[in-house]
Amino acid sequence: DTAVSQTPKYLVTQMGNDKSIKCEQNLGHDTMYWYKQDSKKFLKIMFSYNNKELIINETVPNRFSPKSPDKAHLNLHINSLELGDSAVYFCASSQGTSWEQYFGPGTRLTVT
Amino acid sequence: GDSVTQMEGPVTLSEEAFLTINCTYTATGYPSLFWYVQYPGEGLQLLLKATKADDKGSNKGFEATYRKETTSFHLEKGSVQVSDSAVYFCALLNGNTGKLIFGQGTTLQVKP
Repeated sequence: DTAVSQTPKYLVTQMGNDKSIKCEQNLGHDTMYWYKQDSKKFLKIMFSYNNKELIINETVPNRFSPKSPDKAHLNLHINSLELGDSAVYFCASSQGTSWEQYFGPGTRLTVT
Repeated sequence: GDSVTQMEGPVTLSEEAFLTINCTYTATGYPSLFWYVQYPGEGLQLLLKATKADDKGSNKGFEATYRKETTSFHLEKGSVQVSDSAVYFCALLNGNTGKLIFGQGTTLQVKP
């Protein structure tokens, strides 16, 4: 039983393209997150949704747009991809904002 | 703002050696503290947690104690195994904002 799943696992694309990453959780949580892990393994939060409402929006280029169609899903759409967007993107979920977060397996995005 | 500092890696140990990975934090209020582990090619797994001062989190032989007086949450294990080789992340959760702030990660390599 996969708790937090992401698709695709790997994504290779060219500069300037638009791509989406999908995330689903079956834990019944009401809060979901997107994190970016850079090449040095540093993890930083990008966005968070609670009950489909955006509650955290860090300093992220507006080429990145999250969408939460329901509490179990959080997608990330990226426009006009740049080389610097290459990273591993992790989705996570939690019950409320005060409890531990559970992470998906990550999506490795490579922009060429 | 909130921050987490971990000891620089990589840490290389022989099997059955004692492990300590130092972690200190800066935070307003009373954050919860976590250790996450990332095995090669995988996502982050929650290893252990502590939600208030003097709490001890433990799991799989690892333990860490929430020390408010020294703002620390050092990870320890009495006897490491080759299978413990991974990247370990210390993190604090600001319960008001829901932001999980990570340290830079410490790579552990255990040799037989």
